[in-house]
Amino acid sequence: DAGVIQSPRHEVTEMGQEVTLRCKPISGHNSLFWYRQTMMRGLELLIYFNNNVPIDDSGMPEDRFSAKMPNASFSTLKIQPSEPRDSAVYFCASRPGQLNTEAFFGQGTRLTVV
Amino acid sequence: DQQVKQNSPSLSVQEGRISILNCDYTNSMFDYFLWYKKYPAEGPTFLISISSIKDKNEDGRFTVFLNKSAKHLSLHIVPSQPGDSAVYFCAATFYNAGNMLTFGGGTRLMVKP
Repeated sequence: DAGVIQSPRHEVTEMGQEVTLRCKPISGHNSLFWYRQTMMRGLELLIYFNNNVPIDDSGMPEDRFSAKMPNASFSTLKIQPSEPRDSAVYFCASRPGQLNTEAFFGQGTRLTVV
Repeated sequence: DQQVKQNSPSLSVQEGRISILNCDYTNSMFDYFLWYKKYPAEGPTFLISISSIKDKNEDGRFTVFLNKSAKHLSLHIVPSQPGDSAVYFCAATFYNAGNMLTFGGGTRLMVKP
């Protein structure tokens, strides 16, 4: 398996524009997570899905953020409209359904909003 | 409310010496703990884990210690190597957490040659 695949690797956009980040989890993994890495908060959980169903989105900072998982092999994180303070590295991770297993991370998307 | 905390944002160690990275947690329900290593421009990668039924787990140069009464875990790297220079995150979860991992803020380790 190629691991968790995120696209794009880098995104530079202007304030007010819509941004969509994409993730393909590892096949067979039941859970998918979106994290944001910042200097202040480290790895901050935004939202996670179990079996394509959103379980906890309490980490989503504002209504400008939304996430979907239409099927087991694809998820998106959308920011609309984007703001400079959204600039960060966004990670997607997936995890098998078994207990006591690790999560596998993608390489991240570095978002810069100017 | 940060349930997992890494109070040292950075640590500098000489090559060959021991590196000790610390992590504290507040949720007594956590029963599985993990350490991840992250290099610049890469995603975090799993390093080592420990279940709450143990107090120590060892894998080569890496050992994780768990002190449940103190709600504290630590990662020991012996001997430290320059290639160990990275950001280290601890994470925790528990059975009814819905498969969710809660991460600490990370500690940047620098191993000097």
